[in-house]
Amino acid sequence: EVQLVESGGDLVQPGGSLRLSCAASGFSFSSYWMHWVRQAPGKGLVWVSYINNDGSATDYAESVKGRFTISRDNAKSTLYLQMSSLRAEDTAVYYCTNLLGPWGQGTLVTVSS
Amino acid sequence: DVVMTQSPLSLPVTLGQPASISCRSSQSLVYSDGNTHLTWFQQRPGQPPRRLIYRVSNRDSGVPDRFSGSGSGTDFTLKISRVEAEDVGVYYCAQGSHWPPWTFGQGTKVEIK
Repeated sequence: EVQLVESGGDLVQPGGSLRLSCAASGFSFSSYWMHWVRQAPGKGLVWVSYINNDGSATDYAESVKGRFTISRDNAKSTLYLQMSSLRAEDTAVYYCTNLLGPWGQGTLVTVSS
Repeated sequence: DVVMTQSPLSLPVTLGQPASISCRSSQSLVYSDGNTHLTWFQQRPGQPPRRLIYRVSNRDSGVPDRFSGSGSGTDFTLKISRVEAEDVGVYYCAQGSHWPPWTFGQGTKVEIK
């Protein structure tokens, strides 16, 4: 069974940092591009970042470029999102997904003083 | 960036009756590989998104056949032939033909009258 389990979400002050993790199982993680997608409370889905299957290519939404870094460890079947210089508008549930199969339950990031 | 526009944004439906959601893209979604990467996601209340339909009209495993997708170029439609109570939620179209960024529609909330 395909499973994606996000973790690392927390309450953080503006300007702070956080690292999200996503543990994958049930599929060949190293074969797939992976994405982070976020959803602010009561709002729609917004793509944040992607990484190709071997980690050699990445890209970001303009709103997070220069502040967020996506990475992966294929040996551990784990996806990461390093978030820095966090703003109130980054408050959201963050999902990891390959956009093909099941999504995780997400992890909530709240940026507030 | 490709803008995805859904209508309506709210869709009250009587149980057993059909429902239809429109999704329009700001440019053709035909990709260089000849495929059209238009996907429909369902998000039930309190749940993560779930892929229903990929490449315009292909249902994912386990998706009831009352769901169907159609369209081409810039105009796409998701139809539910007979709405059931479990279909309540928000439906999103998304494009993966012109990336980055991958972009989602605003979402259409389906509710029972």
